[in-house]
Amino acid sequence: QMQLQESGPGLVKPSETLSLTCAVSGYSISSGYYWGWIRQPPGKGLEWIGSIYRGGSTYYNPSLKSRVTISVDTSKNEFSLKLASVTAADTAVYYCARHSRYYGSGTYYDNFDYWGQGTLVTVSS
Amino acid sequence: QSVLTQPPSVSAAPGQKVTISCSGSSSNIGNNYVSWYQQLPGTAPKLLIYDNNKRPSGIPDRFSGSRSGTSATLGITGLQTGDEADYYCGTWDSSLSAVVFGGGTKLTVL
Repeated sequence: QMQLQESGPGLVKPSETLSLTCAVSGYSISSGYYWGWIRQPPGKGLEWIGSIYRGGSTYYNPSLKSRVTISVDTSKNEFSLKLASVTAADTAVYYCARHSRYYGSGTYYDNFDYWGQGTLVTVSS
Repeated sequence: QSVLTQPPSVSAAPGQKVTISCSGSSSNIGNNYVSWYQQLPGTAPKLLIYDNNKRPSGIPDRFSGSRSGTSATLGITGLQTGDEADYYCGTWDSSLSAVVFGGGTKLTVL
């Protein structure tokens, strides 16, 4: 059974860079699929941050693109998120997930079928 | 303000049926496939429906999805207290070049 596990600091200071890693077990990232990050501010809804393919091609949410970097390390079977210049508005539970993405006949098929348990990151001095 | 619009809350009695709507536009629901997620309190979201109306293995057939024009609907029959959760729709928005989610709907089983 595939599992995803987020890890990283739970507290980040304003203006610094948030860094998280998602370790994947039970499935090889090299086998395919996109791998994504989604966040959820306390008491609010879901926001997609971005996704990466095994080869390194990425899609980022335009609203966060200038501050986001997602990378993949197939040798460690993990992928990572960096979010620069954080503010209190970036306080959220951050989830990693497997992103099924297909395109055909002018239509996109996207869903997130496996999720990590999530990790709360608080931005505060 | 979410790109996809969902009702903030819905409620129904145990054993009854409920539907949750997700309204969008031609750049998202109108031309791309919709997925639905269930988020039980304090847990990560779980995929319920993908490609508008398909259920992943292990999801009971009490859960169904449909799409018509620029709107999608999640249906839940035979409501159980364990179905109390937040439900989110999601899809790709071709104009924004982004995955977008609805604001979420809180289901209460009275």
